[in-house]
Amino acid sequence: SQQGEEDPQALSIQEGENATMNCSYKTSINNLQWYRQNSGRGLVHLILIRSNEREKHSGRLRVTLDTSKKSSSLLITASRAADTASYFCATPLSGSARQLTFGSGTQLTVLP
Amino acid sequence: DTGVSQDPRHKITKRGQNVTFRCDPISEHNRLYWYRQTLGQGPEFLTYFQNEAQLEKSRLLSDRFSAERPKGSFSTLEIQRTEQGDSAMYLCASSLEEGREAFFGQGTRLTVV
Repeated sequence: SQQGEEDPQALSIQEGENATMNCSYKTSINNLQWYRQNSGRGLVHLILIRSNEREKHSGRLRVTLDTSKKSSSLLITASRAADTASYFCATPLSGSARQLTFGSGTQLTVLP
Repeated sequence: DTGVSQDPRHKITKRGQNVTFRCDPISEHNRLYWYRQTLGQGPEFLTYFQNEAQLEKSRLLSDRFSAERPKGSFSTLEIQRTEQGDSAMYLCASSLEEGREAFFGQGTRLTVV
């Protein structure tokens, strides 16, 4: 069963613009993670935000978490063509800290 | 150790054949996960090991699937009597402890013809 769902499913922007992706989830969590996947490759961990954190930064990435709305957002600032990838949010499955459940992802295309 | 390693990267097999994939996690990580990903979807959890013990299995893991992690190091995932519906990317991940980020391998892409 899917816990997180990303929105939008696809996003196309020009290089230099900011990209915002959203994730909604269903049950209480203790952390939420964002991953990036280039076409046909494995997933790369981007950032983990804990339930007691509201915002976290890593380079050009900014993640927010609103546990009252059960939602998170990933902002990529000053996007580059190399940011073109699928982005997934992942949350622990309810009742299991071990299983991460992923949404279907947001396909981001950054046009040069 | 540069990360999680999976072998082979690609596998094409005929329906009904058995296949086995290998995963070498990051050396100090005692937690190992297998996921399956189909086109346009996020990864789906298959199974989880802590050291050599298989602690969780998804209902997705039918009797034709078996995973092992002897000695708590590398892991293998075997699919017996493959079906076309088994065609997918099989991803392995490892982590240092629960609640921490998981590091993924490049995956094994299986095509059943």
